[in-house]
Amino acid sequence: EVQLVESGGGLVQPGGSLRLSCAASGFIFSSYWMSWVRQAPGKGLEWVANMKQDGSEKYYVDSAKGRFTISRDNAQNSLYLQMDSLRAEDTAVYYCARDRGYVATDFWGQGTLVTVSS
Amino acid sequence: QTVVTQEPSFSVSPGGTVTLTCGLSSGSVSTSYYPSWYQQTPGQAPRTLIYSTNTRSSGVPDRFSGSILGNKAALTITGAQADDESDYYCMLYLGSGIRVFGGGTKLTVV
Repeated sequence: EVQLVESGGGLVQPGGSLRLSCAASGFIFSSYWMSWVRQAPGKGLEWVANMKQDGSEKYYVDSAKGRFTISRDNAQNSLYLQMDSLRAEDTAVYYCARDRGYVATDFWGQGTLVTVSS
Repeated sequence: QTVVTQEPSFSVSPGGTVTLTCGLSSGSVSTSYYPSWYQQTPGQAPRTLIYSTNTRSSGVPDRFSGSILGNKAALTITGAQADDESDYYCMLYLGSGIRVFGGGTKLTVV
């Protein structure tokens, strides 16, 4: 059974940092592109970043460029999102997702809530 | 900036058929945008329904289908059921690694 379990969310002050983790199981992690998608309270989905199997390609939404870093550890079956210089508008549930190629997502975790507030 | 457009809301009768669409603020949607569709009920994680225009994700019933209709991507639900009442999001691949979600359609089954 495919499982994606996010952790690392919480309350952080504006300008602060947070590192999200996603533990994957039930599939060959190293064979898949992986993504982070977020959803602000009461709002729609927003793709944030994704990463190729070997880490050689990474892509970000404009609002995340220069502040967020996606990474992975294939030996640990884990995906990460380092978030720096956090802003109030980064407040959202962050979902880890397995990609179908590099163009879509086919399986989602349950999400972790990040709240940026003073 | 490219905006992906969806109907804000739609309603369908139980047993009926509904088609939700996904367009672009400028230009036409084609299979080259690899449209995908996601279903989300309140408080739950999204669920993938369709990817690459018309391929159903694992476990998705065949009453959900994807296509290109005119200049938009489309998700058709036939034989609507009460538990189809959800938010539906499309996503398009814009190239150069960039993906964009539409604003979502709130589907009511009444």
